Amino acid sequence: ELKVEQNPLFLSMQEGKNYTIYCNYSTTSDRLYWYRQDPGKSLESLFVLLSNGAVKQEGRLMASLDTKARLSTLHITAAVHDLSATYFCAVDIRGGSNYQLIWGAGTKLIIKP
Amino acid sequence: KAGVTQTPRYLIKTRGQQVTLSCSPISGHRSVSWYQQTPGQGLQFLFEYFSETQRNKGNFPGRFSGRQFSNSRSEMNVSTLELGDSALYLCASSARGRHYEQYFGPGTRLTVT
Repeated sequence: ELKVEQNPLFLSMQEGKNYTIYCNYSTTSDRLYWYRQDPGKSLESLFVLLSNGAVKQEGRLMASLDTKARLSTLHITAAVHDLSATYFCAVDIRGGSNYQLIWGAGTKLIIKP
Repeated sequence: KAGVTQTPRYLIKTRGQQVTLSCSPISGHRSVSWYQQTPGQGLQFLFEYFSETQRNKGNFPGRFSGRQFSNSRSEMNVSTLELGDSALYLCASSARGRHYEQYFGPGTRLTVT
């Protein structure tokens, strides 16, 4: 079964702290994406990870990919209130000539001032 | 550049009816993907169109169909609506296709009564 599991699903943290969101997937993939969704809004692309060992950073967010472990992490450094949102990972899974994008359930992140 | 636009933004339909949703991608983007977002099932991939051809599809019944026009605008149709089709329908456009660097529209909120 194609599964993408995120944990935690909910995270409440204080400003200034560091934390990591994990994304595990059940089958081979060559692409993993991270998205952000603010309440009542649409999705915003954060990172595209294409190869084993890929690391991308934007501001206080850093994403990495380990294709052998089928694991991606999204690390938040010195969190600020503006990073409060729901974060999704999504994995591009190939079935024959068809590619499906399988989504994690999302991690709702609340950062308290 | 103008972003991805979706019309209508809100829609209320009755069970058994059909509905057509529209998506206009970012200028120059040839790929349009459609997603369903519900509280219970989360985000699910419906299908992707690229240069008027359906290239990839998810695991949805045949009641869900789509098409893309020569100007890259896309429509999604759901026939014989069921209560469970109530959802936020998101479209996303991409210049390179296959879910790479997607830009999402604001979504169409469909309520089936």
